[in-house]
Amino acid sequence: ELKVEQNPLFLSMQEGKNYTIYCNYSTTSDRLYWYRQDPGKSLESLFVLLSNGAVKQEGRLMASLDTKARLSTLHITAAVHDLSATYFCAVDIRSSNYQLIWGAGTKLIIKP
Amino acid sequence: EPEVTQTPSHQVTQMGQEVILRCVPISNHLYFYWYRQILGQKVEFLVSFYNNEISEKSEIFDDQFSVERPDGSNFTLKIRSTKLEDSAMYFCGVRRNLNTEAFFGQGTRLTVV
Repeated sequence: ELKVEQNPLFLSMQEGKNYTIYCNYSTTSDRLYWYRQDPGKSLESLFVLLSNGAVKQEGRLMASLDTKARLSTLHITAAVHDLSATYFCAVDIRSSNYQLIWGAGTKLIIKP
Repeated sequence: EPEVTQTPSHQVTQMGQEVILRCVPISNHLYFYWYRQILGQKVEFLVSFYNNEISEKSEIFDDQFSVERPDGSNFTLKIRSTKLEDSAMYFCGVRRNLNTEAFFGQGTRLTVV
């Protein structure tokens, strides 16, 4: 059974600090996505990582993918309150017609 | 313009009633999905739809669920006889191709009472 595990599941941090969210998955995949969800809202696409070694950056967020280690990271630099949200990683499963398998989400609270 | 719009945004229904959730993507999407998220929990795959037929479905997607895209535009999820445990946020996802991310609608919050 494919598993996608995120850690931590909950993170409270101060503005200005750096931190990393980890996403491990248990089967071969070279496609991984990061999404953001605000409370009661939809899933907003942040990053698309389509190959080993892929690195994408947008503002204070940077995502990377190591397909050999089956690991993706989402790094937050100098956090600001507006980044408070729940962050999900999701993995494409080719053997299942590319359905996305989701991590449990990391709830990030950034205190001013 | 959003890639996909869902209606209704919130629906309350009595147990045993039928509900239809609608999803309207903008053009040129080929892959369609329904996911659900029980409050505070992870996102769960229900079904994928391609070339006018179901390509994959999960264990959750039992005989009470069905999907269709009758007019080549609207993509609907029907739950024939709702149960309390069907209460969740339902998200429609669309993809142009398999090298792009899935875009999601704003969700339909289904409450079964």
